[in-house]
Formats: sequence, structure tokens, C-alpha cells
Amino acid sequence: QLQLQESGPGLVKPSETLSLTCTVSGGSISSSSYYWGWIRQPPGKGLEWIGSIYYSGSTYYNPSLKSRVTISVDTSKNQFSLNLSSVTAADTAVYYCARHEFLEWFFDYWGQGTLVTVSS
Amino acid sequence: DIQMTQSPSSLSASVGDGITITCRASQHIGNYLNWYQQKPGKAPKLLIYGASTLQNGVPSRFSGSGSGTDFTLTISSLQPEDFATYYCQQSSSTPPTFGPGTKVDIK
Repeated sequence: QLQLQESGPGLVKPSETLSLTCTVSGGSISSSSYYWGWIRQPPGKGLEWIGSIYYSGSTYYNPSLKSRVTISVDTSKNQFSLNLSSVTAADTAVYYCARHEFLEWFFDYWGQGTLVTVSS
Repeated sequence: DIQMTQSPSSLSASVGDGITITCRASQHIGNYLNWYQQKPGKAPKLLIYGASTLQNGVPSRFSGSGSGTDFTLTISSLQPEDFATYYCQQSSSTPPTFGPGTKVDIK
């Protein structure tokens, strides 16, 4: 059974970079059939797609965040990562990693999510 | 970006009731519409993709319909485990965008 697990600091200071990693188990991140994405949800609010990456390193980013986002992949560790720079309190959210089929933009497997708070 | 709206924003219902949630896209999206269920403290769960195709393991009391700009999610007979928040999401173009959610709680 495919599982995704987010990891990283739960507290980040304003203006710093938020860094999270998603570890995939029960399947290969190098499958040609899937993209791997990040989605966030501010407390009590809705869902926002951040970006997605293919095992080859090809990426798609949400234009609203593109200037601050980098998503990378490490196939040897079956992991992909999110960096979000220059964070503010508005970036406080639960961050989820998720899978979607190649160029099919619905998310069928999700991690449990990790809360990241931006505060000094 | 394609904007998604949902109605109602919340509803109260009883076990055994049938309910319908509506989702509208700001432009034509064909049948590229997906539905998720989210319970408190949990990740969203994919229920329906392609407007009407049930994800594996989803009970048949859930159904989806619509195309173009207007879509519905129907639960034919609410069960205790169905009380949750439901989100629609368009997958017609990037960025994929979600509706604001419909919270279904117990009357």
C-alpha cells in the first residue's frame, strides 16, 4: 500500500525558508505514471496546490507562489522536497504531499499532513 | 485561474437523509471535476474523479454528475461516517483549484 509521509520543522521564522520532505513508501517515486505534489491548507481554510514534480525533475508551480517555491526530487531516497522562501504568517498551514497521475490533476494518495507555523 | 464555488457552505442533515452539494466553475471545464472528503485532522480523501467516476473503495451511495460549469455530489443515504467537509476541485487546467468546501454536520 502506497504511503506518503511529510517531515520537517514545525516552526519557521518570518523571512526564512520553509523546508519539507515527503518520503514515499510502498511504491517507487520513479514510476513514469505519476507526479508528486504539495498542497497546503491554512488553519480553518481551504486547499491550495503549491506545485508538482515528475521523477525526471520536471516541475509545475502555482503562479501565485512560483517566485518563492522550489520542489526537488531524490529518486535514490524515494523522496521529494519543498522549499518555500521568504515566509510570512500567511504561509502558516498544514502542508500535504500527494500523488497524481501523469498530467491528470487529481490527487489519489495523500500524506497525513504536517503543520508549519511561521512565527518569531 | 479557474475559480470554484460551492453551495451550500454548510448543511445539517440526519443519518439516512439524502443530500446534494453543488459546485460551479468560473469557466467551462468539461468533466474535469473531482470531489474529496475531509474529516477533522485528516488529509482529504478522493471520492470521485472525472465528475462521475467513483474512486476504488468508495461506497456506491456517493455519486457525481455534471459537465461544463455545473456539478453535483450526491450522497443517497447519509451514514455516520459521512459527516465531514467536501471539496470540489477542477483538473482542467493548471493551477488545479479547489472549492471553498461544504461542511456536512449532524442535525
